[in-house]
Amino acid sequence: GQSLEQPSEVTAVEGAIVQINCTYQTSGFYGLSWYQQHDGGAPTFLSYNALDGLEETGRFSSFLSRSDSYGYLLLQELQMKDSASYFCAVLLNSGYSTLTFGKGTMLLVSP
Amino acid sequence: DAGITQSPRHKVTETGTPVTLRCHQTENHRYMYWYRQDPGHGLRLIHYSYGVKDTDKGEVSDGYSVSRSKTEDFLLTLESATSSQTSVYFCAISGHGDIFSGANVLTFGAGSRLTVL
Repeated sequence: GQSLEQPSEVTAVEGAIVQINCTYQTSGFYGLSWYQQHDGGAPTFLSYNALDGLEETGRFSSFLSRSDSYGYLLLQELQMKDSASYFCAVLLNSGYSTLTFGKGTMLLVSP
Repeated sequence: DAGITQSPRHKVTETGTPVTLRCHQTENHRYMYWYRQDPGHGLRLIHYSYGVKDTDKGEVSDGYSVSRSKTEDFLLTLESATSSQTSVYFCAISGHGDIFSGANVLTFGAGSRLTVL
């Protein structure tokens, strides 16, 4: 079976930095993605790592260590609008782009 | 989301009735997916399609069937709805690409909230 573990909830204050971890045990692995979902909305793509290392996109960065089956999403200069759920997802099959998602981490940003 | 629409957005039905959810895309993407989202479970893949008439099962396919007769439409059918199928259903599309380009990005529709009484 496939298993992705991430914390269920994280809290932080505006302007702070927060890291959301994701560990995975899957039968295949081609890459790790992160998606953001605001309450009642559709998930939206944030970042993707196929190779080890850090990918930076504005205030968001994502890291992958394939040897440790571990990745994280780093959010800097937190804003109230960053309050949302964040999902890590493993690309299992490069042929069909099938993703297996973690259960999500709810991030609450307070003033 | 622009380029992908789901219908209906909300539906209440009774146990044992058939239900069909429709996903329509205007992006001409080859790959389409149906996920369900439930509290505590995240997003789980039901079925996916890699072309017209080409579909395959995901991790939670029992009780669901799909059809894709045109590139732009992917239908999800619950032949006989049960209360355990009460959920929010998301359709997604992918332009696909090599695994290093980041093109394996899913674009999700707005979701269809189904309640089975």
